[in-house]
Amino acid sequence: RKEVEQDPGPFNVPEGATVAFNCTYSNSASQSFFWYRQDCRKEPKLLMSVYSSGNEDGRFTAQLNRASQYISLLIRDSKLSDSATYLCVVNAGGTSYGKLTFGQGTILTVHP
Amino acid sequence: DTAVSQTPKYLVTQMGNDKSIKCEQNLGHDTMYWYKQDSKKFLKIMFSYNNKELIINETVPNRFSPKSPDKAHLNLHINSLELGDSAVYFCASSQGQRHNEQFFGPGTRLTVL
Repeated sequence: RKEVEQDPGPFNVPEGATVAFNCTYSNSASQSFFWYRQDCRKEPKLLMSVYSSGNEDGRFTAQLNRASQYISLLIRDSKLSDSATYLCVVNAGGTSYGKLTFGQGTILTVHP
Repeated sequence: DTAVSQTPKYLVTQMGNDKSIKCEQNLGHDTMYWYKQDSKKFLKIMFSYNNKELIINETVPNRFSPKSPDKAHLNLHINSLELGDSAVYFCASSQGQRHNEQFFGPGTRLTVL
């Protein structure tokens, strides 16, 4: 089983749609969780951290379920500029602090 | 501009050569990383340094040798390049290692012929 697993997509949605991405992780000792965004031929950039209580940043909502080892990202009212690859990222705990493990990414294309 | 910078941006070389990639951050961070993103787009950590001390070394062939002359620089030297080394290499930095955001450089696209 991969350490961090995502549905690779691609997801093709019209502007204004709501889209949800899911992610599971295998290491129950994982300490922190993130969604990163990577545009084509660019570096990954932090989209948002994910907290146990769930958190929202504008049109983006992230959820974490530690019992199920499951992370989600919801994007409401999609914009053309949301087109990118979304990376689910987990920071292992213990002596591996700082070791980010990336999922393979979910490709999102928002069309007019 | 404050950022993580890498040089060169593109590197095309022959098998068997030795090459280096340089990384510098002026964010004042104490931890730096090297990642490899292969053709399938998987991004995997290779090394991390905290205050010039090696913290993470992920089963990377010893042809790869990171060097951190100071906490603002982390260079990657690769000996005897192989076809499978072709990938995009990203440098990153963070303040501390626990929950803090990692900032990535623009990447170095290495092609080994």
